[in-house]
This record gives sequence, structure tokens and C-alpha cells, in this order.
Amino acid sequence: GENVEQHPSTLSVQEGDSAVIKCTYSDSASNYFPWYKQELGKGPQLIIDIRSNVGEKKDQRIAVTLNKTAKHFSLHITETQPEDSAVYFCAATSSNQAGTALIFGKGTTLSVSS
Amino acid sequence: DVKVTQSSRYLVKRTGEKVFLECVQDMDHENMFWYRQDPGLGLRLIYFSYDVKMKEKGDIPEGYSVSREKKERFSLILESASTNQTSMYLCASSVSPDNSPLHFGNGTRLTVT
Repeated sequence: GENVEQHPSTLSVQEGDSAVIKCTYSDSASNYFPWYKQELGKGPQLIIDIRSNVGEKKDQRIAVTLNKTAKHFSLHITETQPEDSAVYFCAATSSNQAGTALIFGKGTTLSVSS
Repeated sequence: DVKVTQSSRYLVKRTGEKVFLECVQDMDHENMFWYRQDPGLGLRLIYFSYDVKMKEKGDIPEGYSVSREKKERFSLILESASTNQTSMYLCASSVSPDNSPLHFGNGTRLTVT
């Protein structure tokens, strides 16, 4: 089955700096890679995703890159703000005869200090 | 907006009790999921369902079962609660087979004493 590794587990940056979170996956058949942000007391929310036919995707201050050959993908946040402080999860699809489910990394706690 | 509602925010149960965690979604999604979240372990898939009456095991199904009698409702059952099942439980739903996007509820914090 799919295995997703996520690094680092914690990340502290100054406001305005960039933050990068990296994930690797094991199943070469995976074709969908979303990123979720979880704020305190809430469930995770999708912030950006990328499919295997695309190498990079941007949405304002957030970007995701995918290297299918190396089986890794990264989240880039530029010009960080205090409200970016949260736990971030990467995920990859895992398929079998039963269907498809998302397998998540262990999460990165991002702290942005002003 | 999709809404996934988990019936309890906090639950405290005793060892050996049968526990029901309820989840309802309001967007007619076919696919529903139960994850548990533990510090340092991330989100781990317990069970999922792609249709009414249908269920599939995830990565950590031991000690759990599920029920999906209606499309909008997906229940997680702990047949005999144990202390190692103390955790945050997250329900999610999606319209697409590849789970894009997955909509989560706000979670149920279960403590088993």
C-alpha cells in the first residue's frame, strides 16, 4: 500500500519568510496529491492540490511542485503571515480493488512569528 | 458549502463500553471516511464506504466497525472501547472517487477511561 513521509515535523519561521514542506510517496500509481491545513479545533481543509500530469501549481502565496520520477512533492508558502500558523498535511491516493482513499503524512506544525 | 457534522465534539466513555460516533453530510456524497488523528502519527484511515451498505477496511480497522444504512450517514462503532482508542476521530466525505476534495468534520475527541 501507499506510504507517505512528510518533513519536517515542525517548522518555525519569521513573518515574511518562506516555508517549504516536503513529502515523498511510495506508490508509483498515485496520481493525486492534495495539501490540507488544520487550524486549532477544526478539521483539515484543502488548500491546494496537484495531479500527476502537472509539475507545478500556484494559488497566490501557495505553490505545490511534483516530481513523479523521484516520487516527491512539496508545498511552498511565500511571504508567510501569522495566520498561516497551523498543521499542514500532505496526502497521496492509494488504490486497490475496493476503491481509492487518501493516505496522509504525519503532519507539519508551522509556526509563524511576527 | 459542504457540511460534515459529527454529533459529538467531546465524549468520555469507560473501558468495555460500546461507543457510536455519528457523522452526517449534507451534499449527497457517495464516499465517506473515518480517520483517527494522534500526535506524531497524523491521520490514519480506519474505514471507508463508497455506497450505502458498502464498507471497506482502511489501514487500522482492528477494534472498529462501521455502519452506513443511509447515504448521508456513516457511523463508527467501537464494539468494546479500550484506552488505546482514546483519540481524535475525523469523519470526511467526497463526491469524487479520487477523494478530491475531501471535506472533513470538526472531529470528535474521545477519551476512554
